[in-house]
Amino acid sequence: EAGVAQSPRYKIIEKRQSVAFWCNPISGHATLYWYQQILGQGPKLLIQFQNNGVVDDSQLPKDRFSAERLKGVDSTLKIQPAKLEDSAVYLCASSLQDRGTDTQYFGPGTRLTVL
Amino acid sequence: AQSVTQPDIHITVSEGASLELRCNYSYGATPYLFWYVQSPGQGLQLLLKYFSGDTLVQGIKGFEAEFKRSQSSFNLRKPSVHWSDAAEYFCAVAGSYNQGGKLIFGQGTELSVKP
Repeated sequence: EAGVAQSPRYKIIEKRQSVAFWCNPISGHATLYWYQQILGQGPKLLIQFQNNGVVDDSQLPKDRFSAERLKGVDSTLKIQPAKLEDSAVYLCASSLQDRGTDTQYFGPGTRLTVL
Repeated sequence: AQSVTQPDIHITVSEGASLELRCNYSYGATPYLFWYVQSPGQGLQLLLKYFSGDTLVQGIKGFEAEFKRSQSSFNLRKPSVHWSDAAEYFCAVAGSYNQGGKLIFGQGTELSVKP
């Protein structure tokens, strides 16, 4: 079974530029999560989708971050404009459903450096 | 609010020695608890999880964890550490069954293994 795919793996941009990350979850998984992991910290949830609807985006900086999951499968996370403090690893995860007992499977992440 | 504390930022053990990584959580009801491992450049891999029942849970790679409600703890143990266990370990908590599955992570414990 294929795991969660993410691209690109690495991205370096200047501040105020825009960037987009892509995630392809495990086939059949209805729930998709985007986490931000700043160096030295644990991952923090940015946004959670159930199929193509948003379940939780309470910690998403909506003035600069946006995300979509149009057909309930792939998802993109965008940052525009980027700030220095956005330097982090962006992890995508998926699970069968959004129950607390459903295991979340993580992709390898995208490491973003903002200069 | 839910929270997870991992008191040890960095631990060094000798190969073959036993290991215990500490995790304390704050949650009003019975939580769902998880331990994940993250190797450099990799996504998070689930080691084990606790939902209910037997408070001692077995995971992959020879790891186990014990849930102690009275101490609000979920410590990870391994009787004999291998050099390949060097990685970052994250404890996480999820809400109850119908609360969306969002994971709250601790800040992580980095494990180094001495030959």
